Amino acid sequence: DGGITQSPKYLFRKEGQNVTLSCEQNLNHDAMYWYRQDPGQGLRLIYYSQIVNDFQKGDIAEGYSVSREKKESFPLTVTSAQKNPTAFYLCASSIGRDVDEQYFGPGTRLTVT
Amino acid sequence: LAKTTQPISMDSYEGQEVNITCSHNNIATNDYITWYQQFPSQGPRFIIQGYKTKVTNEVASLFIPADRKSSTLSLPRVSLSDTAVYYCLVGDLTSGTYKYIFGTGTRLKVLA
Repeated sequence: DGGITQSPKYLFRKEGQNVTLSCEQNLNHDAMYWYRQDPGQGLRLIYYSQIVNDFQKGDIAEGYSVSREKKESFPLTVTSAQKNPTAFYLCASSIGRDVDEQYFGPGTRLTVT
Repeated sequence: LAKTTQPISMDSYEGQEVNITCSHNNIATNDYITWYQQFPSQGPRFIIQGYKTKVTNEVASLFIPADRKSSTLSLPRVSLSDTAVYYCLVGDLTSGTYKYIFGTGTRLKVLA
């Protein structure tokens, strides 16, 4: 089955700790994305990557970091510098050319207390 | 980047046709219009994409007038399971980065 997976579904952390969210895809897509969604709001782009070993900041990259060492994987680290990390995090991938369809994972709900 | 404006919410009854209109006055020549659907606590799902005139697939139709400054997503005979948030996006090709801007979307509630 081809798809995009995120783990874990729910994650709880104490304030001041870094946490890494996993995103894996087996769709052979070049492009991958991380979004953040707050209650009742739309999605905001954190980081995106069009190719392995390359990534770009989105609209709200401060306090986050990513890596793209493999085509299939695009982990997101929420650092202690992120002031309001509690949110629903969504990972997506796309073929990577033109304006094409983005496939989303099931999301990770992060709660920081 | 082209910005989109759509109604915050809409109510409909089962079996009715629902039309959700999106404004994108600053759409660029090479931009496409894409609609996504999102259920609570899930990732958005692609519904339909078009450039001009009319596009139809098994779940929806997309109507785009000649000036492309707006578009209308049409959902025929909605059911309770169509209750969701619908996002209108305009594809950003200006820098070749395939970035989308998701607004707050339209919250559709289908009533029995």
